[in-house]
Amino acid sequence: EDKVVQSPLSLVVHEGDTVTLNCSYEVTNFRSLLWYKQEKKAPTFLFMLTSSGIEKKSGRLSSILDKKELFSILNITATQTGDSAVYLCAPQGPSGSRLTFGEGTQLTVNP
Amino acid sequence: ETGVTQTPRHLVMGMTNKKSLKCEQHLGHNAMYWYKQSAKKPLELMFVYSLEERVENNSVPSRFSPECPNSSHLFLHLHTLQPEDSALYLCASSQQQGIAEAFFGQGTRLTVV
Repeated sequence: EDKVVQSPLSLVVHEGDTVTLNCSYEVTNFRSLLWYKQEKKAPTFLFMLTSSGIEKKSGRLSSILDKKELFSILNITATQTGDSAVYLCAPQGPSGSRLTFGEGTQLTVNP
Repeated sequence: ETGVTQTPRHLVMGMTNKKSLKCEQHLGHNAMYWYKQSAKKPLELMFVYSLEERVENNSVPSRFSPECPNSSHLFLHLHTLQPEDSALYLCASSQQQGIAEAFFGQGTRLTVV
């Protein structure tokens, strides 16, 4: 059975702090790993990672995958209150299969 | 807005009621999905439709009945639900089944009383 563990489950920081969110996974025939940001309701896509060691960046957010150790991290630098959300990690197995979502990390950024 | 629209946004229904959730996308996507998100639990995939055919049903009770009349619309028909079915129901679409980047709707917050 596929497993996804995200840590921490919740995190409270102050604006300007840097945070690192973790995702470890066990997925048969791993294909890719996705990060989503969920504010209120609709998850929105952040990154898709398929190769080990290659950092993907989007503004203050960056993410990297380690396929040997089966984990990924999502970094957010200079956090802002608008970064407050649940961050979901979702590894994917072979083509045509579903995404398996983690429980998410609830990030709260206080002013 | 992601291009995926769900209605209603909120729904309260009794255990003997019949109601339907609607999802619409005009992104030209061929795959649509229903997910359930319960409090403090990961998103759970319920159904997958590809080109209007159901391709995955993850052991969902028969009181949930999906319908995909065309590639732009997806329904979830509900009847004789239980209070534990109260959750956020999210619809998503992707260009094709298996393409990981899925676009989610805002969800329907369902409460069964």
